Amino acid sequence: GAVVSQHPSRVICKSGTSVKIECRSLDFQATTMFWYRQFPKKSLMLMATSNEGSKATYEQGVEKDKFLINHASLTLSTLTVTSAHPEDSSFYICSAEDRRSNYGYTFGSGTRLTVV
Amino acid sequence: AQKITQTQPGMFVQEKEAVTLDCTYDTSDPSYGLFWYKQPSSGEMIFLIYQGSYDQQNATEGRYSLNFQKARKSANLVISASQLGDSAMYFCAMIGGYGGSQGNLIFGKGTKLSVKP
Repeated sequence: GAVVSQHPSRVICKSGTSVKIECRSLDFQATTMFWYRQFPKKSLMLMATSNEGSKATYEQGVEKDKFLINHASLTLSTLTVTSAHPEDSSFYICSAEDRRSNYGYTFGSGTRLTVV
Repeated sequence: AQKITQTQPGMFVQEKEAVTLDCTYDTSDPSYGLFWYKQPSSGEMIFLIYQGSYDQQNATEGRYSLNFQKARKSANLVISASQLGDSAMYFCAMIGGYGGSQGNLIFGKGTKLSVKP
């Protein structure tokens, strides 16, 4: 089946630094990827939709200058949390749209970000 | 706007018993897809089952079945013969467009299922 590899799985960084999270579709081309954020014991909230070769579409309230998304190829999308602060600590998870499948979506394994 | 409602924050079930997790949805789209995902403590989202709005029969996948009642806009997940490994968060989600590949998924708040030995 379709696989999306997400790295790193866990990262701890100092406040003020930037962190890059990668999502890579391993056996299919992902024209569209979605980035979600999940707070503890909460649901997944869509942050942005990433389309290959074009600018990402951000949801209302998500700072595009803080959460930089790049989807430079059909198999790779990255989310960079810039100048991270403790309130950015969260679980980030990507999902790739797989048009070969009726079910449509494959999730990465998630990244737990802790900003200290 | 589309909306998913899961009214059970937590559920307990005895091992080997069946359990139903509730999900209701709201949409004005005539075609849509409904999903259930399992999220263990490790955080990964595991796809369980899909139901298209035009599917005539309720979806089944092994021990998982979806009780789809279109008129009531409900899509409850039934897990038969619960196992300890079923303990996890369960999310109901929907997408507009039949076939499940148009736009992002909208998630409910989830239900935490705990299976007792």
